[in-house]
Amino acid sequence: GQNIDQPTEMTATEGAIVQINCTYQTSGFNGLFWYQQHAGEAPTFLSYNVLDGLEEKGRFSSFLSRSKGYSYLLLKELQMKDSASYLCAVRDSNYQLIWGAGTKLIIKP
Amino acid sequence: ETGVTQTPRHLVMGMTNKKSLKCEQHLGHNAMYWYKQSAKKPLELMFVYNFKEQTENNSVPSRFSPECPNSSHLFLHLHTLQPEDSALYLCASSPTSGDGAGELFFGEGSRLTVL
Repeated sequence: GQNIDQPTEMTATEGAIVQINCTYQTSGFNGLFWYQQHAGEAPTFLSYNVLDGLEEKGRFSSFLSRSKGYSYLLLKELQMKDSASYLCAVRDSNYQLIWGAGTKLIIKP
Repeated sequence: ETGVTQTPRHLVMGMTNKKSLKCEQHLGHNAMYWYKQSAKKPLELMFVYNFKEQTENNSVPSRFSPECPNSSHLFLHLHTLQPEDSALYLCASSPTSGDGAGELFFGEGSRLTVL
């Protein structure tokens, strides 16, 4: 079967750096997405990786290794507003999105 | 504001009621999706419409009935639901489905409670 694994919950301190990992086993690969979802709000797109390497977008970066079935989302200079759930999703060979259960990130002052 | 609006935001219904969820997108997209989001579980794809035609039905029980009158509007008609159907129902859109989909744009969801 197809599976996406990410930690259920993480805690970090304001101003610090946190890395949220995502590992996947899917039938084929056509890209990996990260979404942010604040409580009671819509998931919003953060990043997309289809080739190996690091994609940087401001304080957020996303890394992909297709050979390892692995990605991470790196958040720098954490702010209280970064407290949210982070969803990892992989597009498989049929272009279906396979979702992880999300990682709830708690930022403490 | 994502350009995708869902109503109502909250809905409480009994198992014998009939209600509908509405989704409207103002992005000019041609694909629309219904997802179910339960606590600590991955998003579950329910239905996909591309250019008003249903292209995916992920073995969803018939008590959920989708309707897509045009590319901007999507409904989910609900009847004789079960308590385990209580969840957040998310609508999303994208330029098209399949290999041209790109990222999804989500609405804020309709929180459904079935008593």
